[in-house]
Amino acid sequence: GNSVTQMEGPVTLSEEAFLTINCTYTATGYPSLFWYVQYPGEGLQLLLKATKADDKGSNKGFEATYRKETTSFHLEKGSVQVSDSAVYFCALTTGSGGSYIPTFGRGTSLIVHP
Amino acid sequence: NAGVMQNPRHLVRRRGQEARLRCSPMKGHSHVYWYRQLPEEGLKFMVYLQKENIIDESGMPKERFSAEFPKEGPSILRIQQVVRGDSAAYFCASSPSYSDTEAFFGQGTRLTVV
Repeated sequence: GNSVTQMEGPVTLSEEAFLTINCTYTATGYPSLFWYVQYPGEGLQLLLKATKADDKGSNKGFEATYRKETTSFHLEKGSVQVSDSAVYFCALTTGSGGSYIPTFGRGTSLIVHP
Repeated sequence: NAGVMQNPRHLVRRRGQEARLRCSPMKGHSHVYWYRQLPEEGLKFMVYLQKENIIDESGMPKERFSAEFPKEGPSILRIQQVVRGDSAAYFCASSPSYSDTEAFFGQGTRLTVV
């Protein structure tokens, strides 16, 4: 079956620090990969996505590259802000057998201090 | 185009009562997914529905939980005889009827059982 593994949090950084949140996956077929962000008390919002190997998804200064050889999709940002404090979820869909149920990692909490 | 609408946002039930959670998918979306999120935990898949059909309910508890997505109206997640352990945030997501595109999430319903 499909699964997503994320690094455990919380990740605590100072403003303007570099961010990496690791994500690896196992999947049948060729998955599409996603990062979602959840702010306190809210639902999940799509942050970025990549649909094939070597694609780079990017949005709001965040980026992630689909690495088929290492089955990874690590999230990075060069300079975090306090407003980036949230929970980040890595996810995939495969469309295997006609079922596109998104599979999520456990989420990684990011706390950015001024 | 309105997003995924869930209501109520907050629901308080006494033990033994029934909880009904509603989800209206985005316009044009015929796939609906329900997830449960417990404090400090990730998203747990519960059920995947298309109009008038349950496609995958492998994540649903065998007792007290049911879901439907009728031809007309919202999808309903129903929890009978609630217990304290049912307290959680329940999220609905929807996606179009094609490909492995991203799922769009509602704001969630936070169920508290007292």
